[in-house]
Amino acid sequence: AQTVTQSQPEMSVQEAETVTLSCTYDTSESNYYLFWYKQPPSRQMILVIRQEAYKQQNATENRFSVNFQKAAKSFSLKISDSQLGDTAMYFCAFMPLSNFGNEKLTFGTGTRLTIIP
Amino acid sequence: DTGVSQDPRHKITKRGQNVTFRCDPISEHNRLYWYRQTLGQGPEFLTYFQNEAQLEKSRLLSDRFSAERPKGSFSTLEIQRTEQGDSAMYLCASSFFYEQYFGPGTRLTVT
Repeated sequence: AQTVTQSQPEMSVQEAETVTLSCTYDTSESNYYLFWYKQPPSRQMILVIRQEAYKQQNATENRFSVNFQKAAKSFSLKISDSQLGDTAMYFCAFMPLSNFGNEKLTFGTGTRLTIIP
Repeated sequence: DTGVSQDPRHKITKRGQNVTFRCDPISEHNRLYWYRQTLGQGPEFLTYFQNEAQLEKSRLLSDRFSAERPKGSFSTLEIQRTEQGDSAMYLCASSFFYEQYFGPGTRLTVT
């Protein structure tokens, strides 16, 4: 079984600043994906970024980037030039690839991020 | 295509009543997942369909819960004899491969 830990329940940052959200995970799997999802207040979950475990290069999507440390089982999300629309709950999620066809996600407890104008 | 839709968005029911939720996935997606999210927690996996076949059920899914996906299209999740502990957000997600797209959820309140 996998576990995902997000140790920062809440964070806040001034608009235009950079913020890093932490995530660690525990697994015996060798092949997996990691995701960051964003859940704005009263709105649906949106995929922010994906990282394949076999790739050494960290994923980036515009202002969002990750720092993936496989040996340390760490997967942090960096948001650059933060915007008011980034205010949301952010969930880190793990997907093992050993059970092909059932790629269920295991989520952390989330980090509530508030961008201050 | 407008994405994953769920109906109803909110449901208030009395303890002991039965409720049914519907999920319409993105049309070309063959995989469909149900998750449950309680306040302050991340979503937890409930069950999974590939096309019309239900391939896995979580231990969280008691005998009072049943899910179907007839003809591999929309899916329904039914809870019989609801209990206050069933109060949660029920999320549906669909995928063709690894990236899951979530619906807006159905918020269930059991009084």
